[in-house]
Amino acid sequence: QVQLVESGGGVVQPEGSLRLSCAASGFTFSSYGMHWVRQAPGKGLEWVAFIRYDGSKKDYADSVKGRFTISRDNSKNTLYMQMNSLRAEDTAMYYCAKDADDFGDYYLFDYWGPGTLVTVSS
Amino acid sequence: DIVLTQSPGTLSLSPGERATLSCRASQSVSSSYLAWYQQKPGQAPRLLIYDTSSRATGIPDRFSGSGSGTDFTLTISRLEPEDFAVYYCQQYNNSPITFGQGTRLEIK
Repeated sequence: QVQLVESGGGVVQPEGSLRLSCAASGFTFSSYGMHWVRQAPGKGLEWVAFIRYDGSKKDYADSVKGRFTISRDNSKNTLYMQMNSLRAEDTAMYYCAKDADDFGDYYLFDYWGPGTLVTVSS
Repeated sequence: DIVLTQSPGTLSLSPGERATLSCRASQSVSSSYLAWYQQKPGQAPRLLIYDTSSRATGIPDRFSGSGSGTDFTLTISRLEPEDFAVYYCQQYNNSPITFGQGTRLEIK
């Protein structure tokens, strides 16, 4: 069965950095695009970033462009997100999510991890 | 960006009743690339419906989706206790993909 498990969240000061990881299992990781989606406390869902199955395309929400970098290691079945210049408004639960289409860019999320909480506060 | 507006914000119903949730887009969602997710407290969202009306794997047939263009609906034919949750619509036709603000379905 598909499993996605995020890690790396925590409390960080404004302008600080954090690296999130998402360990994937139960499917052929190297065949699927992957996403990060976040949810601020008590708020709705916001798509953050996408990486194509082979890493050849990366896409970001305007709110994080230039500050966040998505990457993947297909040999380790792991997705990453490097978060720099963090702001209070980046405080959220961060979910990794699997794209529903193999070898495509569907931007539909068929499996989600339980999330990792990032808190930006001094 | 396509703005998705969900209504009502909160829906209070009893188990066994029918629930109708609306999602209206600020511009047409081509190819019916509209999905619905369910989220329970402390859990990640779960995909229910994609391509407007296709049920995701393992989703019971009391959940159905319909609509086209700018108006979409999620219907739960007979509410079970486990259906009380927050529901989000999402369009994945135009970049950036966007979500609605959610409808909270609560027990009356």
